[in-house]
Amino acid sequence: DTQMTQSPSTLSASVGDRVTITCRASQSINRWLAWYQQKPGKAPKLLIYKASSLESGVPSRFSGSGSGTEFTLTISSLQPDDFATYYCQQYNSYSRTFGQGTKLEIK
Amino acid sequence: QITLKESGPTLVKPTQTLTLTCTFSGFSVSTSGVGVGWIRQPPGKALDWLALIYWNDEKRYSPSLKSRLTITKDTSKNQVVLTMTNMDPVDTATYYCAREVVPAGTPFDNWGQGTLVTVSS
Repeated sequence: DTQMTQSPSTLSASVGDRVTITCRASQSINRWLAWYQQKPGKAPKLLIYKASSLESGVPSRFSGSGSGTEFTLTISSLQPDDFATYYCQQYNSYSRTFGQGTKLEIK
Repeated sequence: QITLKESGPTLVKPTQTLTLTCTFSGFSVSTSGVGVGWIRQPPGKALDWLALIYWNDEKRYSPSLKSRLTITKDTSKNQVVLTMTNMDPVDTATYYCAREVVPAGTPFDNWGQGTLVTVSS
């Protein structure tokens, strides 16, 4: 089973900052990686799929990159609405696996 | 407009079987490439994938939970049902259903609001 590891677990940043979250897969998943944003009490929201494709309606300040085993989610200029928890998910194999999450907090 | 909604009991006793229903609109699970999955999230913890069923009736299960899970679909009712046997307090979580579209390469692009299931005697 493919394991997904995110870093950091918690990230403190300010409005306007550029932030990057990393996700590593235990084996190659090609580009079959998604990023989700989740706010307290709400369902996850798809942001990025196929490693770098932006889901319709998602602001362009979000971007994804990577292939194989290492991936990143970048937010170019943090907005107040971006403080949330972010999850990566692989969908290369039979199974679907999520990372443990990165909580983005206001500094 | 695509919507999904989970329904089922909010409280189950240990050893009981949980049955959850995902009722959706705006798409059909008989359309080629479409799947519906279940994901859960214990309070304060990460997302945990449980199962998937596709338009062609292919079924996939989390390896760690496979022996306890069954996923089925009723195309005429636009519903997908998940059963989980031998419930334990550690299974307390919010359970979500979500759509996956294989040809588009999109994973879970639309989610239900989730339903909290508590396992307690």
